[in-house]
Amino acid sequence: QSVLTQPPSASGTPGQRVTISCSGSSSNIGSNTVNWYQQLPGTAPKLLIYKNNQRPSGVPDRFSGSKSGTSASLAISGLQSEDEADYYCAAWDDSLNAHVVFGGGTKLAVL
Amino acid sequence: QVQLQESGPGLVKPSETLSLTCTVSGGSISSYYWTWIRQPPGKGLEWIGYIFYSGSTNYNPSLKSRVTISLDMSKNQFSLKLSSVTAADTAVYYCARDILTGQGDYGMDVWGQGTTVTVSS
Repeated sequence: QSVLTQPPSASGTPGQRVTISCSGSSSNIGSNTVNWYQQLPGTAPKLLIYKNNQRPSGVPDRFSGSKSGTSASLAISGLQSEDEADYYCAAWDDSLNAHVVFGGGTKLAVL
Repeated sequence: QVQLQESGPGLVKPSETLSLTCTVSGGSISSYYWTWIRQPPGKGLEWIGYIFYSGSTNYNPSLKSRVTISLDMSKNQFSLKLSSVTAADTAVYYCARDILTGQGDYGMDVWGQGTTVTVSS
């Protein structure tokens, strides 16, 4: 059971816009920023979004992030077949000693 | 650019200690937070802990009693030890660089390719 809650799956057709939600609590998303990671099949995760809505160099602007209260969202517009991957949200959690918590991951299928 | 590479035994016996090393190339281990993350087969990511270049550490509360992360600046390496392992510790183990500053968490921006560790007799 992950501390951050994501839908296990999502899907869309090429060109569509899809969103993936990430729900937390006041001790994590409610008081800290959210990062998103993309994990292509058989590879290591890759940083996709940091500090809620910032894109690292090289990440297409089709990917965007937002946060409101204790929830965050990742949006992918102009969906492409190469976007088929697992997506994870992450945030620092201030309960006990501060540590990073991840969502359970969302498997995105491009139909 | 900075690259990370995990190394260590792929098979560990139950109750023994898992030991992995992450070698940092293309940059210095000075500055940044150096992190271990694991992923059990078919499951999600779990943060294990980090070490700052100063030597300070922070561990996942659920693993804290069994985890030690250390640093060897002369070799540009950092290491993970996880004691008293069970089958539940079977996972792909990743090392990563985390950028934490006074302005916030800029995320884990460089990852190793991961190494599979199986706990079995």
